[in-house]
Amino acid sequence: AQSVTQPDIHITVSEGASLELRCNYSYGATPYLFWYVQSPGQGLQLLLKYFSGDTLVQGIKGFEAEFKRSQSSFNLRKPSVHWSDAAEYFCAVGAGNYGQNFVFGPGTRLSVLP
Amino acid sequence: EAGVVQSPRYKIIEKKQPVAFWCNPISGHNTLYWYRQNLGQGPELLIRYENEEAVDDSQLPKDRFSAERLKGVDSTLKIQPAELGDSAVYLCASKDSQETQYFGPGTRLLVL
Repeated sequence: AQSVTQPDIHITVSEGASLELRCNYSYGATPYLFWYVQSPGQGLQLLLKYFSGDTLVQGIKGFEAEFKRSQSSFNLRKPSVHWSDAAEYFCAVGAGNYGQNFVFGPGTRLSVLP
Repeated sequence: EAGVVQSPRYKIIEKKQPVAFWCNPISGHNTLYWYRQNLGQGPELLIRYENEEAVDDSQLPKDRFSAERLKGVDSTLKIQPAELGDSAVYLCASKDSQETQYFGPGTRLLVL
């Protein structure tokens, strides 16, 4: 069975600083990989996804993520964080023939200092 | 295009009472999911539907939880009777042909 770990429970960065959120997965084949963001009281919004091809994927709101097969990682990055980026971030793995078996990581809470 | 719609947004009930949540997925999405999200955790799958068929309900506590998706569109998740530990956010999602899930705002349940 697949699993996802997000080693950082809570990260605090200053506005304008760069950001990297870590995600490691366990799955026998190449999974479908996703990053979602959840603001307080809101549903999950898709930031970006990786299925195949270029291992560096661009998403919304200036986010990008890089798939590294050798490290079983899919880390999320942003060069300059905005105060509105404060939220909970979830990495997810979709496995199975069509990625239909979804497993989420525990999430990383991002705080942004002014 | 309308997103995934869920109701109610909030529900407070006493333990042992029944409760039901409703979900309307994005039009044309055949796959529908129900998740439970406990405070400070990621969502956990309860059940997955392909059209009207429940194809993965291995994580659904069947002694008290039930779900249905009549006509392969709207879905209802029910808990009867509710327990204190059922307090959580219940999320509904639907999946498009590009294998991407879209989530509703969730129903926040508090069992007293």
